[in-house]
Amino acid sequence: EDQVTQSPEALRLQEGESSSLNCSYTVSGLRGLFWYRQDPGKGPEFLFTLYSAGEEKEKERLKATLTKKESFLHITAPKPEDSATYLCAVRAAGGTSYGKLTFGQGTILTVHP
Amino acid sequence: NAGVTQTPKFRVLKTGQSMTLLCAQDMNHEYMYWYRQDPGMGLRLIHYSVGEGTTAKGEVPDGYNVSRLKKQNFLLGLESAAPSQTSVYFCASSAIVTENTEAFFGQGTRLTVV
Repeated sequence: EDQVTQSPEALRLQEGESSSLNCSYTVSGLRGLFWYRQDPGKGPEFLFTLYSAGEEKEKERLKATLTKKESFLHITAPKPEDSATYLCAVRAAGGTSYGKLTFGQGTILTVHP
Repeated sequence: NAGVTQTPKFRVLKTGQSMTLLCAQDMNHEYMYWYRQDPGMGLRLIHYSVGEGTTAKGEVPDGYNVSRLKKQNFLLGLESAAPSQTSVYFCASSAIVTENTEAFFGQGTRLTVV
């Protein structure tokens, strides 16, 4: 069964204090690992897709990396507006899980000024 | 520029009542998903569809039914609502699976069962 585990559950940072969020996964053939941002009362907003181990993608202060077992979301010099819940998801490649998109429980990030 | 639209946005039901949540997408996507989100639980997949006329069970399908009669619509039904179904429900859609196809989400439906 596909599983996604995110850590930590919550993270509090001071503005400018860099850190990383972790996403560990098991899936029957990976057809994409996705990072989303979710603000309170809203639907998840897409950030990145990673497919191959070693792949990296960047967007402003965020950088996502992928290995065969986990992904990291690195946040460099965060600002208060980066405060949100960050969600990781994996899409299975085939078999009975074809097309299925499984999410982790999320990491709540709070950045204090 | 609608994307994924969920109807209604809020609803209060009494235990035992039934209702249907509607999800409509205008992006000609093949795949559609229904999730529920509860505090500390992340997004849990209820049912999904990989094309018109198809449906499949997710992690938490009990108490829910779905239909995908038209490609652009995915309906989630609660036949006999229970307090445990109080949650925020999200619909999502994505194009035919390629390496880099993300899912787009609706704004959510907040359902309270009393």
